[in-house]
Amino acid sequence: EVQLVESGGGVVRPGGSLRLSCAASGFIFDDYGMSWVRQAPGKGLEWVSGINWNSGNTGYVDSVKGRFTISRDNAKNSLYLQMNSLRAEDTALYYCARWGPAYSSSRNWFAPWGQGTLVTVSS
Amino acid sequence: QSALTQPRSVSGSPGHSVTISCTGTSSDVGYYNYVSWYQHHPGKAPKLLIYDVSERPSGVPDRFSGSKSGNTASLTISGLQAEDEADYYCCSYAGTYTWVFGGGTKLTVL
Repeated sequence: EVQLVESGGGVVRPGGSLRLSCAASGFIFDDYGMSWVRQAPGKGLEWVSGINWNSGNTGYVDSVKGRFTISRDNAKNSLYLQMNSLRAEDTALYYCARWGPAYSSSRNWFAPWGQGTLVTVSS
Repeated sequence: QSALTQPRSVSGSPGHSVTISCTGTSSDVGYYNYVSWYQHHPGKAPKLLIYDVSERPSGVPDRFSGSKSGNTASLTISGLQAEDEADYYCCSYAGTYTWVFGGGTKLTVL
């Protein structure tokens, strides 16, 4: 069974840092790109960051550029999001999601998704 | 990187059809045939319904269909069922390994 399990969320003060992790299982991890998507309380989904299968390409939403860094460890089947200089507006449930397979021309979609990990930025 | 525009809410009666629109720009929806749609029940993980504008993953009922014209994509749900009541999001690839979601549409089944 394909599974994504996020961890690392918590309460952090503004300006603080947090590192999220996503443990993948049930598929060949390095065949797929991965993304982080967040949902602030009462708001919609927002794509945050993505990384291709070999870490050769990454992307970020403008609001997190320079503060967040996405990475992956294919040997550990894990995806990470290092979040620095956190702001109140970063408060959200953070999901990790898998892209379509790298060997396919059809890969610009997200499935499956994890259950999310909650990040709260508050003083 | 502006969010795609979706209606905040739509509603329909069981057995009827509804269509949710998703308007972007010539840099995302209008440029790439990489629009996907997700169903999100509160407290659960989002679920892929449609990818590449109109393709359905295995296991998704054919009651769900997608299309695109210019900068606007659409999701149509026919034969509405009570369990279809959820939030629906469109998403488009926007180039250079970036994506953008719509603001979401709450579907109410009357």
